[in-house]
Amino acid sequence: EVQLVESGGGLVKPGGSLRLSCAASGFTFSSYSMNWVRQAPGKGLEWVSSISSSSSYIYYADSVKGRFTISRDNAKNSLYLQMNSLRAEDTAVYYCARELLRFRYFDYWGQGTLVTVSS
Amino acid sequence: DIQMTQSPSSLSASVGDRVTITCRASQSISSYLNWYQQKPGKAPKLLIYAASSLQSGVPSRFSGSGSGTDFTLTISSLQPEDFATYYCQQSYSTLRGTFGQGTKLEIK
Repeated sequence: EVQLVESGGGLVKPGGSLRLSCAASGFTFSSYSMNWVRQAPGKGLEWVSSISSSSSYIYYADSVKGRFTISRDNAKNSLYLQMNSLRAEDTAVYYCARELLRFRYFDYWGQGTLVTVSS
Repeated sequence: DIQMTQSPSSLSASVGDRVTITCRASQSISSYLNWYQQKPGKAPKLLIYAASSLQSGVPSRFSGSGSGTDFTLTISSLQPEDFATYYCQQSYSTLRGTFGQGTKLEIK
């Protein structure tokens, strides 16, 4: 059974940093691109970042470029999101999602982890 | 950047109704259009990928159509468990999955 479990969320002050993790199981993690998607309270879905299976291709939304860094460790079946210079508008539930290569849709999602940026 | 516009933003319907949600892209995205369902407090769930392909395990009352810039999600006969928010997503550009703003489907 495919499972994605996020962790690392919490309360952080503006300007602070946080590192999110996503532990994958039930599939060959190293064969799939992975993504982070976030959802601010009461708002819609916003794609944040993606990373290819071998980390060769990395993309970011303009809203996080230069502040967030996506990475992965295929040996540990884990995906990460390092978030620096956090702002109030980064407050959201952060989901990791598996991406299928053809047509690039997200077929499995984690349960999400809440990041709150507030003083 | 490709913009995705969903309509309506909210919709009231009854069990058994046929419902259609539309999604329009700001430029052609071929068939790189996906639909997700999200219930409160839960992660999104993939319903339709590549505009019209039904994800495994999704009931056949859900269907998708369209190509280019105009797409639709149709629920042929609403069931109580279908009341949720629906999002379209384009996966054509490298700025992955621009999502539509969502359509909240409520019970009439």
